[in-house]
Amino acid sequence: NAGVTQTPKFQVLKTGQSMTLQCAQDMNHEYMSWYRQDPGMGLRLIHYSVGAGITDQGEVPNGYNVSRSTTEDFPLRLLSAAPSQTSVYFCASSTLPRGTEAFFGQGTRLTVV
Amino acid sequence: TQLLEQSPQFLSIQEGENLTVYCNSSSVFSSLQWYRQEPGEGPVLLVTVVTGGEVKKLKRLTFQFGDARKDSSLHITAAQPGDTGLYLCAGSMDSNYQLIWGAGTKLIIKP
Repeated sequence: NAGVTQTPKFQVLKTGQSMTLQCAQDMNHEYMSWYRQDPGMGLRLIHYSVGAGITDQGEVPNGYNVSRSTTEDFPLRLLSAAPSQTSVYFCASSTLPRGTEAFFGQGTRLTVV
Repeated sequence: TQLLEQSPQFLSIQEGENLTVYCNSSSVFSSLQWYRQEPGEGPVLLVTVVTGGEVKKLKRLTFQFGDARKDSSLHITAAQPGDTGLYLCAGSMDSNYQLIWGAGTKLIIKP
């Protein structure tokens, strides 16, 4: 059972570089989301999607783009990396309706220098 | 402003002691979840509570949802080193899809 797969696990970027964090789930979940986790701040929602072709902004969307062309995949793009984007990023998926269990990937530790 | 306040933020105790972690809000939630996260991993669901006053037990862990569905607690009896981790609460509201997350309680159980 693969669940939610995130790649890469670690990444170092230079300021201004762009990159894509990959997320794939094999549970046929409608809802997928991206979070960043910083010490003492819990999980903050970046973007989410309730199905293929539908995305929306979360709490901290600036500097990030997403797309959802298939049910399985939900990549997160950093357009021009900044040191403030140094964080651990988690992708999660769940079924709808609200309040069902969220399944998380193992995370991507991103450092922007 | 954090919609869900978790306390304490950090707790370090000896093996065998009891502890309680709190998750409080001024908002009403339709359900509340507790997750545990270990280093280098994503959070994993422990329990979901949906009814005001509900109590659920998972071995030595007891979860309670407040009568008004605004708060929850996690009580661990006779803590073990394997309980070490970051405990997160997350609330669900009928008004939107997103989970509202607390900042977490980092728990260390010393042998």
